Amino acid sequence: GAGVSQSPSNKVTEKGKDVELRCDPISGHTALYWYRQSLGQGLEFLIYFQGNSAPDKSGLPSDRFSAERTGGSVSTLTIQRTQQEDSAVYLCASRRNAESNQPQHFGDGTRLSIL
Amino acid sequence: ILNVEQSPQSLHVQEGDSTNFTCSFPSSNFYALHWYRWETAKSPEALFVMTLNGDEKKKGRISATLNTKEGYSYLYIKGSQPEDSATYLCAFLNSGYALNFGKGTSLLVTP
Repeated sequence: GAGVSQSPSNKVTEKGKDVELRCDPISGHTALYWYRQSLGQGLEFLIYFQGNSAPDKSGLPSDRFSAERTGGSVSTLTIQRTQQEDSAVYLCASRRNAESNQPQHFGDGTRLSIL
Repeated sequence: ILNVEQSPQSLHVQEGDSTNFTCSFPSSNFYALHWYRWETAKSPEALFVMTLNGDEKKKGRISATLNTKEGYSYLYIKGSQPEDSATYLCAFLNSGYALNFGKGTSLLVTP
């Protein structure tokens, strides 16, 4: 596709349920990132995938959060046993490669609301 | 977590005014400084990626400068228009891949 695609665009779920967020990066981009923005906060880095290398999971806030990237393309971010503090906009971005002068291209995000 | 500070937090200007915002970041282990514009209900859009001390970049009425020695970047908008209303994010890259974002400057331009 032309840009980074995320689904769903909005998700409302009850506390304790599991949710899965999907990101389809720009074709050919080797780097993929997940961020979230909680109310009143800046964008918070969650996880980074680069090619076939092991992902950098240093930003995941708890072991309830996990992500995978299958075939070097589509990525899913899974949150288990959701809590109210997980409510945020979850953004995915891809980048052509790991060179520092490459910008990140963002999707429109998934707005997650935990009741 | 690396501290990236943006100021002001919000700004309200009249159409035609010129304005500028500041981004400050750690001056060590610098790789790149990114600026993004995030309009409501849209995805963040890359404005500039700056890698060298003294870099100046321009896109239309928007320009940015970079001082890596003292750890700051300025974003300038000349002759603001209502369509410039957005949140402007800066992000610091210190290891080649993980961007550290500031909280942004929210700009409102009224006719």
